[in-house]
Amino acid sequence: DAKTTQPNSMESNEEEPVHLPCNHSTISGTDYIHWYRQLPSQGPEYVIHGLTSNVNNRMASLAIAEDRKSSTLILHRATLRDAAVYYCILKEYGGSQGNLIFGKGTKLSVKP
Amino acid sequence: GAGVSQSPSNKVTEKGKDVELRCDPISGHTALYWYRQSLGQGLEFLIYFQGNSAPDKSGLPSDRFSAERTGGSVSTLTIQRTQQEDSAVYLCASSPEAGTGREKLFFGSGTQLSVL
Repeated sequence: DAKTTQPNSMESNEEEPVHLPCNHSTISGTDYIHWYRQLPSQGPEYVIHGLTSNVNNRMASLAIAEDRKSSTLILHRATLRDAAVYYCILKEYGGSQGNLIFGKGTKLSVKP
Repeated sequence: GAGVSQSPSNKVTEKGKDVELRCDPISGHTALYWYRQSLGQGLEFLIYFQGNSAPDKSGLPSDRFSAERTGGSVSTLTIQRTQQEDSAVYLCASSPEAGTGREKLFFGSGTQLSVL
């Protein structure tokens, strides 16, 4: 699976939007873009995934660049409960490697 | 519905002892994964089961580590002759499908293993 690059940490103010970037310049045409987050003392939690088009769900939005070499996870209105480590992961369709490879992620701090 | 359940939630053991960690995946999920996370570190893949296929053991750090999945459901991760560097949170995840690229993993809360 291709690698991703994320900032180590970001800060946000409560009730403001947050844009978490991810670079994946070596992405292949069959790689899905996944985002997970890990709250303190918990296991990771699925957030959203996409292939080419932007995606929205109740938790967040995923904006994918036209060339797919980068993506942005958007939290529309950050709350204190959104403070977590956010992981951007590529997963190949039909790939021989079944597991997800987690990098170091972005630690998001939310200030009241 | 019930999520992924792991037991025990905490385990303290002495160096050299064997430990067994249990994972009950979500019913009907065909894929099961074990990861571990040392303090302040990222997730390290250990082993992956998918249906009746041979497990992917490529992440197991040594032959002291083994895992089995009985009846395509419950899984047990066994660590023999534990060492202090085995201290970590051991996380289990399951997913309803595998190989599509779209599969979502559902994680348990983990077992905190402390080796004294």
